[in-house]
Amino acid sequence: AQSVTQLDSHVSVSEGTPVLLRCNYSSSYSPSLFWYVQHPNKGLQLLLKYTSAATLVKGINGFEAEFKKSETSFHLTKPSAHMSDAAEYFCVVSELNTGRRALTFGSGTRLQVQP
Amino acid sequence: NAGVTQTPKFRILKIGQSMTLQCTQDMNHNYMYWYRQDPGMGLKLIYYSVGAGITDKGEVPNGYNVSRSTTEDFPLRLELAAPSQTSVYFCASSYSMESVDEQYFGPGTRLTVT
Repeated sequence: AQSVTQLDSHVSVSEGTPVLLRCNYSSSYSPSLFWYVQHPNKGLQLLLKYTSAATLVKGINGFEAEFKKSETSFHLTKPSAHMSDAAEYFCVVSELNTGRRALTFGSGTRLQVQP
Repeated sequence: NAGVTQTPKFRILKIGQSMTLQCTQDMNHNYMYWYRQDPGMGLKLIYYSVGAGITDKGEVPNGYNVSRSTTEDFPLRLELAAPSQTSVYFCASSYSMESVDEQYFGPGTRLTVT
């Protein structure tokens, strides 16, 4: 069975400082991993995805994530936070198991960006 | 492309009432999904469909029904609404069921049952 743990429910940073949102996963198979962002009262938007091609994945809006199999982690980073980055972020693991795709969401990390 | 659209945006139901949440996508995706998001939680899969006429249960299907008569539409029906169904409902679609494939989400329907 697969699972996702987002280690922080809230993260607060100052504008211009680095962002780190932590995600650990467990999976019985070779998973695909995603980060989605949800702005208030909006649907989820894909930030980036890992599909085994490269361990360092670059996404939109300057975000990137590194897949570390030995640590079963997929942490999301950004060098310099912007006010518009304030949102909820979800780490998602995806497996194709017995013909059915299983998508498991983490519980989310709310990012606050202080001016 | 409008992507995935959902109606209504908000709804308040009394216990025991019924309603249908509408979902439409214009990307010609075969695969469509319904999720619910409870406060402070990730999304949980209610039902999904792999094509017109084919639906299957997800993780939390009790109290819901779905149908898929066309590629574009995937309505979610709540019969006998209960307070436990107060949640935000998201519809999504994808091109395939491959684990690498991105899902595209609608803006959500916020439902309150009182």
